[in-house]
Amino acid sequence: DSGVTQTPKHLITATGQRVTLRCSPRSGDLSVYWYQQSLDQGLQFLIQYYNGEERAKGNILERFSAQQFPDLHSELNLSSLELGDSALYFCASSVEGQGNSPLHFGNGTRLTVT
Amino acid sequence: GQQLNQSPQSMFIQEGEDVSMNCTSSSIFNTWLWYKQDPGEGPVLLIALYKAGELTSNGRLTAQFGITRKDSFLNISASIPSDVGIYFCAGQEGGTASKLTFGTGTRLQVTL
Repeated sequence: DSGVTQTPKHLITATGQRVTLRCSPRSGDLSVYWYQQSLDQGLQFLIQYYNGEERAKGNILERFSAQQFPDLHSELNLSSLELGDSALYFCASSVEGQGNSPLHFGNGTRLTVT
Repeated sequence: GQQLNQSPQSMFIQEGEDVSMNCTSSSIFNTWLWYKQDPGEGPVLLIALYKAGELTSNGRLTAQFGITRKDSFLNISASIPSDVGIYFCAGQEGGTASKLTFGTGTRLQVTL
């Protein structure tokens, strides 16, 4: 158990809808990262927050947004969903937002858009 | 997005055999990490490497940080059935750039 908690585990929704994925980092970790993993693909970095502030942005679509709250949990909002958004979405956390700080991953949310 | 080149893509080996896989990048990384992902689960950290040339072991796993800082290697000795899964390398640039860039993965299958 990595200590990173993601909910829900599974999500099935229709095209055009909006969903919110939630992540609670490991106790003491200040930085949260979101990754997307499509079928049989590697993990693509979406966005990073550190202590409530956006730290780095990757290939995140404009339809997607995220935030980190004062209690350090994070939410990833996906709107106007398309079939191609079906994927596993992982959250990871690290102690600091610095290099040399390994990331620990949750078990992901599997999103299916029909 | 940017990805590291990882090889081989997949391996079928017999129980007891040793396994080697590697990862190369066009960019320099300050940290290399190796993760294993089982079906339906998140990646689990196996080994972290922080210095060029560093060789680190974790049980039957040994990983090396290439001296050019553009590559890394993972070896698994005496493979067992529970080694089955997908192995990912990941590079971390350092400083405030702590996000990971992941390799394409090596799918390992172990036959009895």
